[in-house]
Amino acid sequence: ILNVEQSPQSLHVQEGDSTNFTCSFPSSNFYALHWYRWETAKSPEALFVMTLNGDEKKKGRISATLNTKEGYSYLYIKGSQPEDSATYLCASPNSGYALNFGKGTSLLVTP
Amino acid sequence: DAGVIQSPRHEVTEMGQEVTLRCKPISGHDYLFWYRQTMMRGLELLIYFNNNVPIDDSGMPEDRFSAKMPNASFSTLKIQPSEPRDSAVYFCASSPEGTGGRSPLHFGNGTRLTVT
Repeated sequence: ILNVEQSPQSLHVQEGDSTNFTCSFPSSNFYALHWYRWETAKSPEALFVMTLNGDEKKKGRISATLNTKEGYSYLYIKGSQPEDSATYLCASPNSGYALNFGKGTSLLVTP
Repeated sequence: DAGVIQSPRHEVTEMGQEVTLRCKPISGHDYLFWYRQTMMRGLELLIYFNNNVPIDDSGMPEDRFSAKMPNASFSTLKIQPSEPRDSAVYFCASSPEGTGGRSPLHFGNGTRLTVT
């Protein structure tokens, strides 16, 4: 089973700050890296699926990069807003087709 | 598209009782996953199906847990007998293909189970 690790565990920033989190995963037998956003009392929703080394994806103020050789991905949020408050999960497939999730980074953005 | 539908949303039961959680995946999705969310272990995979066939159930904690998918539009996760340590949020998710590819998971709203 792949160990997907995320840091920091939690983060508290002020509105307008930019922030980033890290996801690390074993670089051998890499297949894909997923990012999900999980708001309180809701279900996780997919942000990005990344498969290529050097890949960079963007959705509004949120972007992600991928380094498959060293086994890490960064998620960036530019100009954080209170509505960005959520837990951000990354995940990578095991040898089959099921995702192994990290424990997430809990982000709180205060006005 | 109604998305992945889970029922019930909340379940409170006493230790020793049987609990059945239900899931309707998105139509056309060939993969169905059951996950459990706890504070200690995060989101952990219990079992997944491909075309109604269980592929990997190594995450099922013990024999008290069982899952079935009798057809493409319905799956159940059963716990018998339930124990307080089974208290968690159980998520069902579906995908048009294995998530090893480019397809993200689509999650249901989860069932919050409390066993007293």
